[in-house]
Amino acid sequence: GAGVSQSPSNKVTEKGKDVELRCDPISGHTALYWYRQSLGQGLEFLIYFQGNSAPDKSGLPSDRFSAERTGGSVSTLTIQRTQQEDSAVYLCASSLPFEGGSETQYFGPGTRLLVL
Amino acid sequence: AQSVAQPEDQVNVAEGNPLTVKCTYSVSGNPYLFWYVQYPNRGLQFLLKYITGDNLVKGSYGFEAEFNKSQTSFHLKKPSALVSDSALYFCAVMRYNFNKFYFGSGTKLNVKP
Repeated sequence: GAGVSQSPSNKVTEKGKDVELRCDPISGHTALYWYRQSLGQGLEFLIYFQGNSAPDKSGLPSDRFSAERTGGSVSTLTIQRTQQEDSAVYLCASSLPFEGGSETQYFGPGTRLLVL
Repeated sequence: AQSVAQPEDQVNVAEGNPLTVKCTYSVSGNPYLFWYVQYPNRGLQFLLKYITGDNLVKGSYGFEAEFNKSQTSFHLKKPSALVSDSALYFCAVMRYNFNKFYFGSGTKLNVKP
């Protein structure tokens, strides 16, 4: 596929459980972003990966949230000990590295997380 | 601090009429400005962006936006709305030479026949 893919598309979990969300970026895109979209809210930046550089984790809301990007491609967002307020749509986006004209982000369809 | 404001949660317009979706921003340095659209049950799609040059930017589906530096605005416009334009629209800003994007809260556009 040519686009960003995310899995699962939907995830229902119980409070206190850990969840893993996966993102497959567009091939060749070295920049990868995770966002959270809550009902009625805009997109909340979570974390940004660029190549082999240290990720920008400044948007992660708590230490229960972490993300990895293996081999500069696939990324996994992990939420430990989930809380009900974690319920949201988690969006992944990828882009070419910023070069003054290649920074358009391409978004995946999102993972809808519901914590009961 | 960098931020984006979309003052209207919802905009209603009749098909065939012009539409405007407002966006103002606050960023230090030169801003890079974007509009994205989210159709129901679909991911966000890029519409247009302002990087430099002409203040009027044309994008997909007949949309355009005007960068106004003095008013720190980047309103989205279309001369004649279509019912199919009904969706959620997000404005975003990126500070020059940084890769962190700030998104507005979104504006729901309803175009009625």
